Amino acid sequence: DAKTTQPTSMDCAEGRAANLPCNHSTISGNEYVYWYRQIHSQGPQYIIHGLKNNETNEMASLIITEDRKSSTLILPHATLRDTAVYYCIVRVAGGGSNYKLTFGKGTLLTVNP
Amino acid sequence: NAGVTQTPKFRILKIGQSMTLQCTQDMNHNYMYWYRQDPGMGLKLIYYSVGAGITDKGEVPNGYNVSRSTTEDFPLRLELAAPSQTSVYFCASSFWTATGELFFGEGSRLTVL
Repeated sequence: DAKTTQPTSMDCAEGRAANLPCNHSTISGNEYVYWYRQIHSQGPQYIIHGLKNNETNEMASLIITEDRKSSTLILPHATLRDTAVYYCIVRVAGGGSNYKLTFGKGTLLTVNP
Repeated sequence: NAGVTQTPKFRILKIGQSMTLQCTQDMNHNYMYWYRQDPGMGLKLIYYSVGAGITDKGEVPNGYNVSRSTTEDFPLRLELAAPSQTSVYFCASSFWTATGELFFGEGSRLTVL
């Protein structure tokens, strides 16, 4: 699976949009981009994933560049409860024995009042 | 649905003791995983299973064993506990579909003294 690079930490004001970047310059054509977050040592929580098109759900939006070498997770109106470590992961689609996610250190997002 | 349930939540072991971390899921997921997370680090995959009777090693399997006799249960066995196994352990599950998201338990915090 392709390696990802994320900033170690970011700050965001409450109510503003939080934009979390992720570089995955070695991504392959059949690899998806996933985002998870982990709130204060709880189990990680799935946020969103995408292949090449931008995606949106009730939690966030995912913007993937046209060359797919980077992406941005957007939390449109950050709240204090969004303070967490955010993990960007890329992996090959498909089942079988290769279905496993590799988590790096992620980005610690701190939402300030 | 209870989701993914892990027990115990906390445990202190002495060096050389053995124990089993229990994990059960009620979502009929066929894929299950065990991760460990050391302080300030990302998650590392210990073992995973693609179905009952089938298990395979992840990144850090040494010192651990698993079994998968049913779809619901995926216990992790620690033999001869060592201080290096002090960590938070997370169990997760998912469907086999190509982009199935992982559902995590709340974690089991293990200290080996």
